[in-house]
Amino acid sequence: EIVLTQSPGTLSLSPGERVTLSCRASQSVSSSYLAWYQQKPGQAPRLLIYGASSRATGIPDRFSGSGSGTDFTLTISRLEPEDFAVYYCQQYGRSPHTFGQGTKLEIK
Amino acid sequence: EVQLLESGGDLVQPGGSLRLSCAASGFTFSSYAMSWVRQAPGKGLEWVSAITGGGSSTYYAESVKGRFTVSRDNSKNTLFLQMTSLRAEDTAVYYCAKGHYSGSYPYFDYWGQGTLVTVSS
Repeated sequence: EIVLTQSPGTLSLSPGERVTLSCRASQSVSSSYLAWYQQKPGQAPRLLIYGASSRATGIPDRFSGSGSGTDFTLTISRLEPEDFAVYYCQQYGRSPHTFGQGTKLEIK
Repeated sequence: EVQLLESGGDLVQPGGSLRLSCAASGFTFSSYAMSWVRQAPGKGLEWVSAITGGGSSTYYAESVKGRFTVSRDNSKNTLFLQMTSLRAEDTAVYYCAKGHYSGSYPYFDYWGQGTLVTVSS
C-alpha cells in the first residue's frame, strides 16, 4: 500500500497569501496518478487537480499542482476567503487508492 | 448535470449488515468506474472500494476485504455496497464517487453528498 503523508497538518494564513501544500508518497506514484481534493465542512470533496498538474473543470487558475515520483505539491497563489478548507491528496495508480491525512487551511 | 444520490445508511448493531445504494444520473453510467469513499466523524477520507464500468473488476481496502462487496446494476444506473460483519470502526459517512473513465485507475470527478452509517449497540 502506498502511504501518502501530507504536511503541514494545519496552516493559519490570511487572505491574499500564497501557500504550498506538500504530499509525499512512500513509493513512486505511477504515471503521476495523483489528485488533489478540497473539502469544506458538511460538504463532499471536490476535485481540484488530477494527473499531478491538470486543473479540473471550473477550478480557478490560482490553484496549481506539480511534482512526480514521490513528491507532490499543491499551490494556491493568492488565498481567497472561500479557499479555507481541508485539502487531500490521493494516488490512484495502484490499489488501494489511498488518501493523505489532509491539510487544514484556517484563517489567521 | 451529474447527480449521485446515496441511500441506505442507518444505525446497525456490531456484527450486522447493511446495503448502501447510489443512484446515478446525468451521464452514461456503464461507461465509468465508480467507488465508495468513507469518512469517520472528524477524520479524513478513506478509500473503500471500486468497480470498473462493466463491473468485471472490483477492488477493496484491506480494512473491508472479505466483509464488503461492491456491485453495480448498469440497467438501473445504481451502485451498491453490501456491508457485513460491521464493526464500530466502520462508522462513517459513505460517499459514492464517479471515476473519470471506465477502467481501474480513476480519479473522482463527481461525488455524492454521502449517507451516514453508524455501528453501535
